[in-house]
Amino acid sequence: DQQVKQNSPSLSVQEGRISILNCDYTNSMFDYFLWYKKYPAEGPTFLISISSIKDKNEDGRFTVFLNKSAKHLSLHIVPSQPGDSAVYFCAASAQSGNTPLVFGKGTRLSVIA
Amino acid sequence: KAGVTQTPRYLIKTRGQQVTLSCSPISGHRSVSWYQQTPGQGLQFLFEYFSETQRNKGNFPGRFSGRQFSNSRSEMNVSTLELGDSALYLCASSLEAWVGEQYFGPGTRLTVT
Repeated sequence: DQQVKQNSPSLSVQEGRISILNCDYTNSMFDYFLWYKKYPAEGPTFLISISSIKDKNEDGRFTVFLNKSAKHLSLHIVPSQPGDSAVYFCAASAQSGNTPLVFGKGTRLSVIA
Repeated sequence: KAGVTQTPRYLIKTRGQQVTLSCSPISGHRSVSWYQQTPGQGLQFLFEYFSETQRNKGNFPGRFSGRQFSNSRSEMNVSTLELGDSALYLCASSLEAWVGEQYFGPGTRLTVT
């Protein structure tokens, strides 16, 4: 039973354009959501998070949108840069971040120069 | 400040053997979580330790165990290795028992033959 789903295993975007990575969840108890980025041979690094009391959080080129009624969140990267090429993981937690993270399987983003 | 370190980085074991992996968290961090990453399943939570106590455990068989020492360093042990245990094992630390600011190590790549 996959509680966090990233249905696109890969995404290819041209440099300078917008990258949109999507994530769906099934557990209505999830109230805290995070995005991590992972380069080969490195551990995941935290990118951005959002609490269920918000529907948008922005940090520089990265914006996360949360649609609670649809149980859907998305990560927007604008403008996309070649250095953004990595695997992106969506993760969720309940109790405002006090339960273990449940990760999606990841989306591999390739930004083409 | 040094990041999360994991040793060894690579390991090859034979089916039936046991293995111990080590994780040193960021100085001052008291919470350590372990994850298994496989191509088919993404990142799956193994367990979390906080102040030497196991706080949460994922859905893994009893062959997987762990512990945390008074200096917050953590070890995980897998006994009676199976081929399906081949994976990247990631350790993450955080200052407190909250998932919002988890910092991951580079992982230990375990291959079981």
